[in-house]
Amino acid sequence: AQSVTQLDSQVPVFEEAPVELRCNYSSSVSVYLFWYVQYPNQGLQLLLKYLSGSTLVESINGFEAEFNKSQTSFHLRKPSVHISDTAEYFCAVSVDTGFQKLVFGTGTRLLVSP
Amino acid sequence: EAGVAQSPRYKIIEKRQSVAFWCNPISGHATLYWYQQILGQGPKLLIQFQNNGVVDDSQLPKDRFSAERLKGVDSTLKIQPAKLEDSAVYLCASSGKAGGSTDTQYFGPGTRLTVL
Repeated sequence: AQSVTQLDSQVPVFEEAPVELRCNYSSSVSVYLFWYVQYPNQGLQLLLKYLSGSTLVESINGFEAEFNKSQTSFHLRKPSVHISDTAEYFCAVSVDTGFQKLVFGTGTRLLVSP
Repeated sequence: EAGVAQSPRYKIIEKRQSVAFWCNPISGHATLYWYQQILGQGPKLLIQFQNNGVVDDSQLPKDRFSAERLKGVDSTLKIQPAKLEDSAVYLCASSGKAGGSTDTQYFGPGTRLTVL
């Protein structure tokens, strides 16, 4: 079975500072990795995903994540955050069984202050 | 394009009562998912439908939870009778392809259930 660990439940950061949200996974087979974001009072939205190929994936709003197979990690980074990035971020994993079954981490709340 | 719709947004009931949640997926999406998100935890898959057939319900507490997706479009999730530990946000999601492992799931805003 797969599992995801997000060790940081909350990450406070000042606006325009860099941030890294950590995600580690456990799986005995190859995985697909996802980051979802949940803004207050909204549903989860896909931020980015790693399926294959380049280990560095980017989102349209400046976030990036790097798949590191040897460290079983998929950390999310942004070089300069905005107030509007305040949200809950969930890392998730699935495996290729023909059907998608996402296993989510417990989430990291990013708090950006002025 | 309209997103995934859910209703009600909030529900408060007493234990042992029944409750039902409704989900309308994005038009044309074949796969529909119901998740339970308990406070402080990530979403947990309860049941997955492919059109109107169940693909995975291994984590659905079948003694009290039931779900259906008539005609392969809308879906309802029911809890009967509710327990205190059922207090959570119930999320519905849909995806367009045949539920493949690389799909993007689109989530609704969720229904927050409080059981007193």
